[in-house]
Amino acid sequence: AQTVTQSQPEMSVQEAETVTLSCTYDTSESDYYLFWYKQPPSRQMILVIRQEAYKQQNATENRFSVNFQKAAKSFSLKISDSQLGDAAMYFCAYRTSGNTPLVFGKGTRLSVIA
Amino acid sequence: DAGVTQSPTHLIKTRGQQVTLRCSPKSGHDTVSWYQQALGQGPQFIFQYYEEEERQRGNFPDRFSGHQFPNYSSELNVNALLLGDSALYLCASSFLFANTGELFFGEGSRLTVL
Repeated sequence: AQTVTQSQPEMSVQEAETVTLSCTYDTSESDYYLFWYKQPPSRQMILVIRQEAYKQQNATENRFSVNFQKAAKSFSLKISDSQLGDAAMYFCAYRTSGNTPLVFGKGTRLSVIA
Repeated sequence: DAGVTQSPTHLIKTRGQQVTLRCSPKSGHDTVSWYQQALGQGPQFIFQYYEEEERQRGNFPDRFSGHQFPNYSSELNVNALLLGDSALYLCASSFLFANTGELFFGEGSRLTVL
């Protein structure tokens, strides 16, 4: 069964600094998607960034970027120029192609210090 | 463009009661998935509906059932509530033939079982 592991239950970062959240996953599939979702206190899961496994280039969305290491099954999220609004739970998630369910990690709570 | 909407936002039930949660998917989406998120945990997949049929199911007992209507909206029913059913229930929608793999989430229904 596929599993997603986030080894950092909590992280903190100073405003304007950079922080990296870690994620590893286990799968025997070759075609899959990886995601980072943000869940603020409002509870709604918001997609931060997406990576297709067949793409070697790391995805980037403004201040958010990933380091995707397929052989190592690692998918870390880097947040640059951290802002107070970045404070939230961050979930790493995986799904294979074919409309299969998302498998989530347990999350990392990110605090941003002013 | 309305996103995924869920109702009710909060509800309190007692053990043994039954509950129905409702979800309207994002416009253009035809697939609805339900997830249970216990406090401090990542979401766990309950089941997925497409074309008014349950297509995939996670490791949840038969007390959890659902329905999808012709307009793609969906209900989650939980019978014989247990204390352990207290959680945030998230609805997510997608388009079956989308190639992005992304799910769009609602804000969830917070269920408390006393």
